[in-house]
Amino acid sequence: EPEVTQTPSHQVTQMGQEVILRCVPISNHLYFYWYRQILGQKVEFLVSFYNNEISEKSEIFDDQFSVERPDGSNFTLKIRSTKLEDSAMYFCASTRQLNQPQHFGDGTRLSIL
Amino acid sequence: EDQVTQSPEALRLQEGESSSLNCSYTVSGLRGLFWYRQDPGKGPEFLFTLYSAGEEKEKERLKATLTKKESFLHITAPKPEDSATYLCAALYRDDKIIFGKGTRLHILP
Repeated sequence: EPEVTQTPSHQVTQMGQEVILRCVPISNHLYFYWYRQILGQKVEFLVSFYNNEISEKSEIFDDQFSVERPDGSNFTLKIRSTKLEDSAMYFCASTRQLNQPQHFGDGTRLSIL
Repeated sequence: EDQVTQSPEALRLQEGESSSLNCSYTVSGLRGLFWYRQDPGKGPEFLFTLYSAGEEKEKERLKATLTKKESFLHITAPKPEDSATYLCAALYRDDKIIFGKGTRLHILP
């Protein structure tokens, strides 16, 4: 069964550094998402992406965040200048159509020191 | 304010002891209600989608139901391997999704 893959599984970064989290969505999916989950808290929506542009974003997704689909398979989340509070699990998800369930990767654990 | 509330936060059951998890939602323009299972260190794994009040879906020991204000996940005769965190999420408006905090379910052998 096709799945969403995320790399790396764990990223440790110094505060203030840039970090790029990578995702390969399911190949025939058209809608792509990033979520974060701070330890012990709920999954929070960050951004949705369709047709090479952002379709929705949350208040969390400020100017420090950006997303890109650089080629036909990868979907990336960049955090320009990381803060301690960016430490969380980041999940990528994809779906073929709106209203259909999103399929999640296993996440990247981001630790900011 | 749009929100999704799950209860209880945690539930311990003996193997074979049936129960229900609750997901209450207040969102404008619900388009779908999703149930996911999340194991430690893993991403949410899709279980069910419900689109309209009165709809029911079943899979093995799990059954999900939906009303206009809440959804239930019924677990019949659970086994230890059903232990996980169960998440519900509401898809609303164009493409907004909001998750509940989840119910941590622990089935004792």
